[in-house]
Amino acid sequence: NAGVTQTPKFQVLKTGQSMTLQCAQDMNHNSMYWYRQDPGMGLRLIYYSASEGTTDKGEVPNGYNVSRLNKREFSLRLESAAPSQTSVYFCASSVRDREYRNQPQHFGDGTRLSIL
Amino acid sequence: GEDVEQSLFLSVREGDSSVINCTYTDSSSTYLYWYKQEPGAGLQLLTYIFSNMDMKQDQRLTVLLNKKDKHLSLRIADTQTGDSAIYFCAESIRAAGNKLTFGGGTRVLVKP
Repeated sequence: NAGVTQTPKFQVLKTGQSMTLQCAQDMNHNSMYWYRQDPGMGLRLIYYSASEGTTDKGEVPNGYNVSRLNKREFSLRLESAAPSQTSVYFCASSVRDREYRNQPQHFGDGTRLSIL
Repeated sequence: GEDVEQSLFLSVREGDSSVINCTYTDSSSTYLYWYKQEPGAGLQLLTYIFSNMDMKQDQRLTVLLNKKDKHLSLRIADTQTGDSAIYFCAESIRAAGNKLTFGGGTRVLVKP
């Protein structure tokens, strides 16, 4: 049972390059999320998708775009990478219960991204 | 506003109990979570508590919630070296679309 799978695990980019981080979950979850984690800090929400076909901004969306390709997949794109986007990126997913409350989020192992 | 705070560091001897504390500000929280992160790994869900509960016990883990003081704690009994990690407290706020707000994490070091 794979859970949440992120690719790639590591990537080095030059300033100005573009890149798409991939995330897929096999748990039939409704909601998916992208976070970034910087040294000594907790996770900050970049974008999320409450259900297939919808996306919304989180706390730190600037410089990023997302696509909810289908129920399983949620990608994060950096159009023009900047050194400030050097971080570890985590994808997560969760399911809503009958009262439309999100159950705990399950996380992937992260993508470590360095921008030179 | 949403704000979750934790102490930065905790050192404990193997076999002792660890208590990790967290404070939050939003009173409309629905769930409060504890996640564990080992070096180079993702976040592993340890346990969670509904905001209408006071306590939850799960094997070596005990979560206590004081809603009046907006204080959450995680007690790990009989702490082992494998418990060395960063522990994150997070709240899910129903008014904010059930998004998670994380604390900055508490690094726990277990000494033999």
